[in-house]
Amino acid sequence: AQKVTQAQTEISVVEKEDVTLDCVYETRDTTYYLFWYKQPPSGELVFLIRRNSFDEQNEISGRYSWNFQKSTSSFNFTITASQVVDSAVYFCALSRRSGYALNFGKGTSLLVTP
Amino acid sequence: GAVVSQHPSRVICKSGTSVKIECRSLDFQATTMFWYRQFPKQSLMLMATSNEGSKATYEQGVEKDKFLINHASLTLSTLTVTSAHPEDSSFYICSAKRQGAESPLHFGNGTRLTVT
Repeated sequence: AQKVTQAQTEISVVEKEDVTLDCVYETRDTTYYLFWYKQPPSGELVFLIRRNSFDEQNEISGRYSWNFQKSTSSFNFTITASQVVDSAVYFCALSRRSGYALNFGKGTSLLVTP
Repeated sequence: GAVVSQHPSRVICKSGTSVKIECRSLDFQATTMFWYRQFPKQSLMLMATSNEGSKATYEQGVEKDKFLINHASLTLSTLTVTSAHPEDSSFYICSAKRQGAESPLHFGNGTRLTVT
């Protein structure tokens, strides 16, 4: 069985602060994929990143960065210099293979205030 | 980029009526589509998986006779909520898998269903 835990239900930061969203996963599969999605108030899911289990390199995309640690089964997401537009619910998800159904965590609601 | 269109974006219906939600892949062929449901302030839960030309596979606890899924073509899947009740009010969102090589799942913009 697969499971994704996002222990932080809500986070509130002031603009320009850095914030890290935690994601811990459980799986018995040796091959799997991890995802992060952003869900703004309008509801659509915005794809942020996909990482397969064989690629443990950290990734940076602008103000976003991801830290994948297989040893601790974590795939944390950091937003540097947060902005009000970053306010949304962020979901971490896991699938056996890319293109298969995703198991979502419960999401972390991020509020960035001016 | 790949686009998945979901329609309608919002629908309000009376209890006992049926509602059909469409999910279309606009620029690729989707061999598999997934339907999720999200209650307010909760996570997305997989309802069913549909493969083009075959019956959908439903997750445990999801009533297949209530949530009818049809995937008649490689670009269209529909979810019909039959005899809707207020507890069916939720956000329904579909995703599509591109035929061929593995790729990220593309999601529709979701449908907010309110049953009065």
